[in-house]
Amino acid sequence: GNSVTQMEGPVTLSEEAFLTINCTYTATGYPSLFWYVQYPGEGLQLLLKATKADDKGSNKGFEATYRKETTSFHLEKGSVQVSDSAVYFCALTLNAGNMLTFGGGTRLMVKP
Amino acid sequence: DGGITQSPKYLFRKEGQNVTLSCEQNLNHDAMYWYRQDPGQGLRLIYYSQIVNDFQKGDIAEGYSVSREKKESFPLTVTSAQKNPTAFYLCASSSGPAGRDTQYFGPGTRLTVL
Repeated sequence: GNSVTQMEGPVTLSEEAFLTINCTYTATGYPSLFWYVQYPGEGLQLLLKATKADDKGSNKGFEATYRKETTSFHLEKGSVQVSDSAVYFCALTLNAGNMLTFGGGTRLMVKP
Repeated sequence: DGGITQSPKYLFRKEGQNVTLSCEQNLNHDAMYWYRQDPGQGLRLIYYSQIVNDFQKGDIAEGYSVSREKKESFPLTVTSAQKNPTAFYLCASSSGPAGRDTQYFGPGTRLTVL
């Protein structure tokens, strides 16, 4: 079956530090990959996505590159802010399907 | 403003009671979804609907029921058969299959069984 594995949190960083949140996947086909962000008490918002190998998704300073050879989609940001504190979810879907498969989420805490 | 609304934000239920969570969208999306989120865990799919009057079970449908009588509405009923219903419930919608079109999420309903 399909699955997504994320690094366990919480990840605690100082403001302006470099962020990496690891995400690897297993899938029976060629998935589309997503990063969602969840701020406290809220629903999920799409942060970025990539639909084929070597695509790079980017938004709000965050980036992730679809690496087929390593089945990975790691999230990076060069300089985090306190406002980036949230839970980040990696997810995949097979293009012909309707269901998102989520990782367990990684909590990011950014200290001033 | 277009979006997804869920109500209520907080819901308390006594054991043995059924309870219905509301989800409404004005995005004109065909597909709608219900997810369950437990503390420190990812989201698990309960039910989804690709079109009016049709819905499919997700990974954890037992103890839940849904209906899709209108395009904009996809209510979820948590029945007394659900053994551990305390969780955060998220509704989502998309204009088409998730692989092609982004899923947009509502703000969620936190259900607590007393």
